Amino acid sequence: DTAVSQTPKYLVTQMGNDKSIKCEQNLGHDTMYWYKQDSKKFLKIMFSYNNKELIINETVPNRFSPKSPDKAHLNLHINSLELGDSAVYFCASSSTWTGDYGYTFGSGTRLTVV
Amino acid sequence: DAKTTQPNSMESNEEEPVHLPCNHSTISGTDYIHWYRQLPSQGPEYVIHGLTSNVNNRMASLAIAEDRKSSTLILHRATLRDAAVYYCILRDNYGQNFVFGPGTRLSVLP
Repeated sequence: DTAVSQTPKYLVTQMGNDKSIKCEQNLGHDTMYWYKQDSKKFLKIMFSYNNKELIINETVPNRFSPKSPDKAHLNLHINSLELGDSAVYFCASSSTWTGDYGYTFGSGTRLTVV
Repeated sequence: DAKTTQPNSMESNEEEPVHLPCNHSTISGTDYIHWYRQLPSQGPEYVIHGLTSNVNNRMASLAIAEDRKSSTLILHRATLRDAAVYYCILRDNYGQNFVFGPGTRLSVLP
């Protein structure tokens, strides 16, 4: 069983479209995150949720909206996609909001906007 | 945020030990030193972390300088599967998110 799973693994879409990426963790963790890895390979935090509540929202365009229906799921919806949104998006989870015991990452969703 | 400095890349031969350095001269007393690695086309994975004392686990060892201004991740016998980008990250336990730098790209030669 995959601990943190993301779907889809690859997503190719046109500019202006709206798309969603789903993330599920079966670890019983309380906190989930979205990270973005751009073409220069830097990993940057976007959002973190603790028990379905938003606790971190970095400087991300409001076209990006996370949704956490329960603490095992954190989905990322992106409106009006732009070329610059092309990147690999990683979901992660940790057992506590302080992340004392480390993060478990998913294998990523490669988004390509054309 | 406390910053870390790592070499951009390193090379190792298979089955030899690898020492990956990390400088963190502005580390504060409450910062833990975390190491993650990212294999090609995968998400980062936890390797090891420590505060003051050296740490060992099944994956690696972490040697922390007495003044804590630097640390070294030690892979005792590199395998081809260890080729990855290794990230050294400072983080306290007050809810900071992990901030990933560019890391060190480790190549392992057969």
